Amino acid sequence: QPQLQESGPGLVKPSETLSLTCTVSGDSISTSSYYWGWIRQSPGKGLEWIGYIYYTGSTYYNPSLKSRVTISVDTSKNQFSLNLDSMNAADTAVYYCARGSAGDNWFDPWGQGSLVIVSS
Amino acid sequence: EIVLTQSPATLSLSPGDRATLSCRASQSVRTYLAWYQQKPGQAPRLLLYDASSRATGIPARFSGSGSGTDFTLTISSLEPEDFAVYFCQQRTNWPLTFGGGTKVEI
Repeated sequence: QPQLQESGPGLVKPSETLSLTCTVSGDSISTSSYYWGWIRQSPGKGLEWIGYIYYTGSTYYNPSLKSRVTISVDTSKNQFSLNLDSMNAADTAVYYCARGSAGDNWFDPWGQGSLVIVSS
Repeated sequence: EIVLTQSPATLSLSPGDRATLSCRASQSVRTYLAWYQQKPGQAPRLLLYDASSRATGIPARFSGSGSGTDFTLTISSLEPEDFAVYFCQQRTNWPLTFGGGTKVEI
């Protein structure tokens, strides 16, 4: 099993952009068998799928967040990243990166999660 | 979007008991449903996919059934490490969605 590790700021001001990176070890991100996704978890909304990306750069986003989300991939660093614009208090959550099985859309494994708080 | 409703919200049981958790979908997801386990402070872990297939390394005491809109996760005999929160997830329609979870407590 590969290991995934999120990194980024734990505190973001309202209206700013969240940038998180997921570093993958033990597996190549450049594989057609898997895609690489972001999911968040908050007390109010539970688990929410944000989107995912293939190593080719193809992306799929949750329509509820699509206008604010960008997911990108850096195959040279075996990393993928999440940008979420115009952050507000409702975006406070634990953000997870995860590997998804291409064609199946199940998530396994997940990173340990990164708590992001939106506050001035 | 497909809404997944899990019940009960909390299940209070003892080690050795049988646990039966329910996940109901707002429309048919065929058998495209997964179950995850989450322990405090940890990320979710895939248990079952396609309603009844166990993920790698998952003990046989975990089983799943159902199709269409009604699904069940059964833990045949609870071990101390099984007390956790369980979520279901569907992949039939976009966006991918999760249920609200069932907490299995001692």
